[in-house]
Amino acid sequence: EAGVAQSPRYKIIEKRQSVAFWCNPISGHATLYWYQQILGQGPKLLIQFQNNGVVDDSQLPKDRFSAERLKGVDSTLKIQPAKLEDSAVYLCASSSKEGGETQYFGPGTRLLVL
Amino acid sequence: SQKIEQNSEALNIQEGKTATLTCNYTNYSPAYLQWYRQDPGRGPVFLLLIRENEKEKRKERLKVTFDTTLKQSLFHITASQPADSATSLCALRGGGGYQKVTFGTGTKLQVIP
Repeated sequence: EAGVAQSPRYKIIEKRQSVAFWCNPISGHATLYWYQQILGQGPKLLIQFQNNGVVDDSQLPKDRFSAERLKGVDSTLKIQPAKLEDSAVYLCASSSKEGGETQYFGPGTRLLVL
Repeated sequence: SQKIEQNSEALNIQEGKTATLTCNYTNYSPAYLQWYRQDPGRGPVFLLLIRENEKEKRKERLKVTFDTTLKQSLFHITASQPADSATSLCALRGGGGYQKVTFGTGTKLQVIP
């Protein structure tokens, strides 16, 4: 069974630029999550999708972050414009049950904003 | 406010000994608690889940306890090996309706040969 795929693995941009990350969850997993993990901290949930509907986006900075999950499969997370404090690893995870008893994580995208 | 605390200091342990990691929480009534391991440059990997009505769970060399009175979970790795070196993350999901899973900050474990 293929795992959660993410791209790119690394991205370096300057502040005020925009960036997009892509995630392909495990086939058949209805729930998809985007997390932000700052160095030395645990993952922080940004947004959770159930199929293509948003379940929780309470911690998503909506003035600059957006996410979509078209057709309930792949998802993209966008930051526009980026700030220095957005430097982090962005992790995508998926689970087969709402509420995420077991989440399967991708390798993450490491973003550096200069 | 809700808080999950893990020891931020790294835990160094000799190979073969039992490693014990702690996860404390406040202002939660968790439906369940999970432990994940995370290696550098990789996403977390699920290890064990324990529910609010369970006291202990085992899987091979791993054991998790859950004390809802003390609001604490302990994660034990027996006969530790250098390959066990990683950051251990605990994650809680609150009970009652939709509740997101919230992660602690993690504790780095180093097993010394």
